[in-house]
Amino acid sequence: DAKTTQPPSMDCAEGRAANLPCNHSTISGNEYVYWYRQIHSQGPQYIIHGLKNNETNEMASLIITEDRKSSTLILPHATLRDTAVYYCIVNTNDMRFGAGTRLTVKP
Amino acid sequence: SQTIHQWPATLVQPVGSPLSLECTVEGTSNPNLYWYRQAAGRGLQLLFYSVGIGQISSEVPQNLSASRPQDRQFILSSKKLLLSDSGFYLCAWMGSGEAFFGQGTRLTVV
Repeated sequence: DAKTTQPPSMDCAEGRAANLPCNHSTISGNEYVYWYRQIHSQGPQYIIHGLKNNETNEMASLIITEDRKSSTLILPHATLRDTAVYYCIVNTNDMRFGAGTRLTVKP
Repeated sequence: SQTIHQWPATLVQPVGSPLSLECTVEGTSNPNLYWYRQAAGRGLQLLFYSVGIGQISSEVPQNLSASRPQDRQFILSSKKLLLSDSGFYLCAWMGSGEAFFGQGTRLTVV
């Protein structure tokens, strides 16, 4: 079973920030949090990862709580092309994906 | 740069026929390799993963098997396909950080 839990679906207005939560309460001290997204009929695409500090790249920001039991992926200005299933996973050798969050960006 | 090749892109096979899907990685050595299956409208199900040549961990007991004959080659096989084996099969590798996925094989068992 996946070590993360995410809401099954979310909506976001185009141009607004999308905040995608993830719970990983059993995360170990040396495990990273990874985020991927999957657009229909394609393989998942890496977005960002972090250990305990907040991270930002050209795609998104990742906010990890101090106790590391949860995190939030932020897409600062969502576009229609950001509509996808977003997966949060905790890195171990057995890279297990949960059901993810289906984000729908609406015009 | 690292690339991952997975083929074929689509495949239609009759029930009871054998299966062989191949995945190869270039530009890296000793990667962790993974096979996933995704049924229509569902999430990614981890089938097998390998941390080295000849080392295979099976996640789901079924009529599929995997082999890693070379460092950068990962093969998914079946001796006799079932209707329930239909789905989107993805190969992935993980190096020192993010994972990279192949383009996938859409298998339809008829």
